[in-house]
Amino acid sequence: AQSVAQPEDQVNVAEGNPLTVKCTYSVSGNPYLFWYVQYPNRGLQFLLKYITGDNLVKGSYGFEAEFNKSQTSFHLKKPSALVSDSALYFCAARVGSGAGSYQLTFGKGTKLSVIP
Amino acid sequence: EAGVAQSPRYKIIEKRQSVAFWCNPISGHATLYWYQQILGQGPKLLIQFQNNGVVDDSQLPKDRFSAERLKGVDSTLKIQPAKLEDSAVYLCASSLVFRDAYGYTFGSGTRLTVV
Repeated sequence: AQSVAQPEDQVNVAEGNPLTVKCTYSVSGNPYLFWYVQYPNRGLQFLLKYITGDNLVKGSYGFEAEFNKSQTSFHLKKPSALVSDSALYFCAARVGSGAGSYQLTFGKGTKLSVIP
Repeated sequence: EAGVAQSPRYKIIEKRQSVAFWCNPISGHATLYWYQQILGQGPKLLIQFQNNGVVDDSQLPKDRFSAERLKGVDSTLKIQPAKLEDSAVYLCASSLVFRDAYGYTFGSGTRLTVV
């Protein structure tokens, strides 16, 4: 079965330090990968995506993600964490849903807490 | 551009009651998705529409859940009767690109509590 795994339920990091939120995937074909962020009582907001090309993808709010095909990983990174980055982060992959269409399948999420 | 609209934002019902959620996607987005997000889990796809046709409803509990998208625009998701385990946030998303997931936009969701 095609799936996305986020091995950490929670990540704590001090403000100003670099952060990494981990994601691994298991999908058939070329992977299309995404990161979303969810703030309390809000919907999911798109951060960035990898479709093809450069393995380092830059996204919103200073976030970036590194695609590693050999390790089937797509870790989210930021050089300097802000308290306002504290939120729930979801990694997602495009999977076929039949009839030639696609949908996103999500990991279970990682709660990021940035400590002042 | 207006976002994906969902209502209500919150709903509390007793088990065995019925409830309905409404979603209005971004104008021009032909693909519409309903996801269920249980606390502590990632969103799980319930049903996917392309215009007013169902593309995938394999994970929809059809004995109690139903959804429709009349005229290929607004959509309604219904639960009848509700169970305690249906407590979750129900997210609607729409996508511009036909048959793909590039441009997902999510609504703010409806938080359902079944007591």
